[in-house]
Amino acid sequence: GAGVSQSPSNKVTEKGKDVELRCDPISGHTALYWYRQSLGQGLEFLIYFQGNSAPDKSGLPSDRFSAERTGGSVSTLTIQRTQQEDSAVYLCASSLAGGSPRAYYEKLFFGSGTQLSVL
Amino acid sequence: EDKVVQSPLSLVVHEGDTVTLNCSYEVTNFRSLLWYKQEKKAPTFLFMLTSSGIEKKSGRLSSILDKKELFSILNITATQTGDSAVYLCAVASGNTGKLIFGQGTTLQVKP
Repeated sequence: GAGVSQSPSNKVTEKGKDVELRCDPISGHTALYWYRQSLGQGLEFLIYFQGNSAPDKSGLPSDRFSAERTGGSVSTLTIQRTQQEDSAVYLCASSLAGGSPRAYYEKLFFGSGTQLSVL
Repeated sequence: EDKVVQSPLSLVVHEGDTVTLNCSYEVTNFRSLLWYKQEKKAPTFLFMLTSSGIEKKSGRLSSILDKKELFSILNITATQTGDSAVYLCAVASGNTGKLIFGQGTTLQVKP
């Protein structure tokens, strides 16, 4: 697609429920990132996928959070047993990583995010 | 621990004013510093800086990096109401595209 697409744009759920957030990156982008932005805060790194390499999960806040990327394209972020502190905007980004010129490596293109509200 | 700190956290100016936003960092294995503009949800890319002292410019926006003092500034001249947004500074380190973001500066430009 023309840009990074995320769905749903808004999700309201009850505490304890599981949620799945979807990200469709820009076609041809090999790197995909998930970030979280709480109200009034900067972006917090969650997880990073690059090609067929093992994902960098170092930012996942707990084992309730997991993500997968199927076929090197679409990614799903799953939050199990949601808590109120999980409420935030979840942003996905993609980039042309691992190639040349390096200028593309760090130039992330972001989706519009999913606003998650846990009641 | 790697960190990126922006100042001020918020700023209110009037159209036509010039503003300077600050970003300092302490990051191991620094590769580049990036500025993003976030108006609603999706941050959009402004600049990427890798070398000290070389100004990047785009219209009324410009930015420069000082790798010795570990900071960058983003200047906006002749501000317009459309410049109202959150400006995010981020640093890339290591061998991935993983970015470490600052808290952001919220800029409001009044008519």
